[in-house]
Amino acid sequence: AQTVTQSQPEMSVQEAETVTLSCTYDTSENNYYLFWYKQPPSRQMILVIRQEAYKQQNATENRFSVNFQKAAKSFSLKISDSQLGDTAMYFCAFMKHREYGGATNKLIFGTGTLLAVQP
Amino acid sequence: AAGVIQSPRHLIKEKRETATLKCYPIPRHDTVYWYQQGPGQDPQFLISFYEKMQSDKGSIPDRFSAQQFSDYHSELNMSSLELGDSALYFCASSRGQTNTEAFFGQGTRLTVV
Repeated sequence: AQTVTQSQPEMSVQEAETVTLSCTYDTSENNYYLFWYKQPPSRQMILVIRQEAYKQQNATENRFSVNFQKAAKSFSLKISDSQLGDTAMYFCAFMKHREYGGATNKLIFGTGTLLAVQP
Repeated sequence: AAGVIQSPRHLIKEKRETATLKCYPIPRHDTVYWYQQGPGQDPQFLISFYEKMQSDKGSIPDRFSAQQFSDYHSELNMSSLELGDSALYFCASSRGQTNTEAFFGQGTRLTVV
């Protein structure tokens, strides 16, 4: 079974600074996908960034980037130039690769990190 | 742009009653997923459908059933409701069974009293 662990229940960062959220996972699979989702106070789940395990290059989406260490089973999210609108719960998630190709559509979430961006 | 629509947004039911949650995926999306997020918890996968067939099954209680209809909307039926069923229920959709990008609806908040 796969598990996702986020060891930081809460974090705080000053506006315009950089913050890194940690995530580790456990799996015996070789092919899989990793995600960071954001859940603001509205409770809407929003995809922030996605990484395919077979890609060595770290994914980047504007101010958001990941540090994917496959051997260490680590998948951290770096938010640069933090903005007040980044305040949210951030969930790390894992999706298994289907044997015959593609995804399983089943996300396994970590327990989340509540990020507060301070003005 | 059209998003995933869930109805109702809020629902209050008594114990042992039945509830039906509806999900309307983004147009041309053929895959639907259901997740349950308890208070202060991470979302838990319940079930998914691709082209009206069950695709994957997670920790969905036997009291719950779901289906995807010919117009691709999905319904989650919950019977014999228990206090512990109180949660935020998310529906998400994607296009194609192998597409990893799922778009979430705003959720239905179910309160069982």
